[in-house]
Amino acid sequence: GAVVSQHPSWVICKSGTSVKIECRSLDFQATTMFWYRQFPKQSLMLMATSNEGSKATYEQGVEKDKFLINHASLTLSTLTVTSAHPEDSSFYICSADTGTSVLDTQYFGPGTRLTVL
Amino acid sequence: GESVGLHLPTLSVQEGDNSIINCAYSNSASDYFIWYKQESGKGPQFIIDIRSNMDKRQGQRVTVLLNKTVKHLSLQIAATQPGDSAVYFCAEKASNTGNQFYFGTGTSLTVIP
Repeated sequence: GAVVSQHPSWVICKSGTSVKIECRSLDFQATTMFWYRQFPKQSLMLMATSNEGSKATYEQGVEKDKFLINHASLTLSTLTVTSAHPEDSSFYICSADTGTSVLDTQYFGPGTRLTVL
Repeated sequence: GESVGLHLPTLSVQEGDNSIINCAYSNSASDYFIWYKQESGKGPQFIIDIRSNMDKRQGQRVTVLLNKTVKHLSLQIAATQPGDSAVYFCAEKASNTGNQFYFGTGTSLTVIP
């Protein structure tokens, strides 16, 4: 199956700093990538949809100025958590769509554990 | 909005037994369904998918059943093993909702040795 990677797998940062998380589709091109946030023992919460070459579409309640998304190529999307605070600590997961059809599959990255001190 | 829900948040089964995880969805126009497995600290992993024109699909030790009449999806795991312990999510996608996947709340499966 298709492979999606994330980097870093975990990061610890001080409050007020910014953290960048990369999401790459390794063996396919992804027109659309998604960013999710997950709290312990909870489901995935979609944060934003990232389309190559255009602005991301954010879900209601997600601050676009705080969670900056850049989808610079068909294989790379980045999520930058700006001025991180302890409440931003979470598990962030990206996924990539293998195509634009309703029957195209979405594959997930391994996730990035963010801890803000 | 659309919703995909699971009937059972937790499920414990004895090793070797069969497991059945259920999922209800609300969009009758859903075209495509996927089951994902998520182990602790990892991203969801694709298990099996099914299209709306099918009722059943089998994989290795897993079977997905789709009942469009009652908008119900199930995942059956045969001869459950300790390595099957994880959270299982169903996801559905429909062309009338922008091809976006909607995920259920998840069922935590625990396999008892």
